[in-house]
Amino acid sequence: QSALTQPPSASGSPGQSVTISCTGTSSDVGDYNYVSWYQQYPGKAPKLIIYEVSKRPSGVPDRFSGSKSGNTASLTVSGLQAEDEADFYCSSYAGNNNLVFGGGTKLTV
Amino acid sequence: QVQLVESGGDLVKPGGSLRLSCAASGFTFTDYYMGWIRQAPGKGLEWVSYISTSSSYANHADSVRGRFSISRDNAKNSLYLQMNSLRAEDTAVYYCVRGGQFALYWYFDLWGRGTLVTVSS
Repeated sequence: QSALTQPPSASGSPGQSVTISCTGTSSDVGDYNYVSWYQQYPGKAPKLIIYEVSKRPSGVPDRFSGSKSGNTASLTVSGLQAEDEADFYCSSYAGNNNLVFGGGTKLTV
Repeated sequence: QVQLVESGGDLVKPGGSLRLSCAASGFTFTDYYMGWIRQAPGKGLEWVSYISTSSSYANHADSVRGRFSISRDNAKNSLYLQMNSLRAEDTAVYYCVRGGQFALYWYFDLWGRGTLVTVSS
């Protein structure tokens, strides 16, 4: 069982928006702004798409956005495109020099 | 170009040892915290270890503490993971990852392609 809880799957049609949740506790997501999101295509390495809750690395489309409320972080993908179909993982600092991940969400477009 | 290339993955028997290597290029290796993250077949991601720029600080996940040891050679732009007392549950693709510049901000912006470690008799 993963430390952070994500829905196993999510889906949307091209052009729509979809939001993926990442639920932790007051000891991780709720206590730190070190929430990150990674996108992973089958057989490939993960790619950082959101860090520190809502910041986007250079080159990541602004269709990807992150937020946090209480113990739950969220990733929203707007204007869905076929190329967005992938697995998405959240992570959070959990104190005591420890990082935890969510179990991953398979996004189907 | 900016990249991380892992090597050393192999099939090893339970209780055995293995040393993974990661060659960094295209950036100032000495400025960055580095780490290892693994992914068991068909499973999610699991943070394994991190090490500071000068090797002053290192930490490991509870699941590997006492068995795995991370190290780096800044002169060779290389990161290592010494894995001892390997168990079947250590079977995974191991990714070399780049952390923050001069500090660990708990996100990883550069990943290698990974190297597969299989622990089986």
